[in-house]
Amino acid sequence: AQSVTQPDIHITVSEGASLELRCNYSYGATPYLFWYVQSPGQGLQLLLKYFSGDTLVQGIKGFEAEFKRSQSSFNLRKPSVHWSDAAEYFCAVGAVQAGTALIFGKGTTLSVSS
Amino acid sequence: EPEVTQTPSHQVTQMGQEVILRCVPISNHLYFYWYRQILGQKVEFLVSFYNNEISEKSEIFDDQFSVERPDGSNFTLKIRSTKLEDSAMYFCASSDGGTANTGELFFGEGSRLTVL
Repeated sequence: AQSVTQPDIHITVSEGASLELRCNYSYGATPYLFWYVQSPGQGLQLLLKYFSGDTLVQGIKGFEAEFKRSQSSFNLRKPSVHWSDAAEYFCAVGAVQAGTALIFGKGTTLSVSS
Repeated sequence: EPEVTQTPSHQVTQMGQEVILRCVPISNHLYFYWYRQILGQKVEFLVSFYNNEISEKSEIFDDQFSVERPDGSNFTLKIRSTKLEDSAMYFCASSDGGTANTGELFFGEGSRLTVL
């Protein structure tokens, strides 16, 4: 079955500290992997994506993610968190073919403490 | 920067009423989608639409739901007879799907539907 697991429902990080949000997936075909961020009352904004090539991808706002095929993981990282990073983060997997569904994880809520 | 726009941002309706949610996808995109997010839960795929027909739909997208592209710019989701459990945020998205397809979906800011 196709699925995305984000094991951490809620994470609190101190401002300036590093962050890692976990994502594991199960997908039958070659996966396209995405991280989206959702601020309260807002839509989904793409942080970064992986299609092929270099397994370490850079995104907006200083985020990066590493694709590890052997572990079926696509963890999101940021070396130094800012208070404005507080939001909900969704990992998603999809197929190469356009028009197919993106499968989302349940999300991880990030809180940033001062 | 081109964006997906959705209206209304919030709609309150009585159970059993028909609701139409509207979306204007990015103009040169070919694939259109509806997702929903029930409060506190994950984002769920409803339907994708290409070349004036549904290309994929989920189990959630039953006979109460329909989609339409009535003109060259709008993409609508109709819920025929709303139920309490239809209360959710509904996101429209579009993607390129052409030779430059990267699988990336661009999402609107959502329409919050509250069914009373």
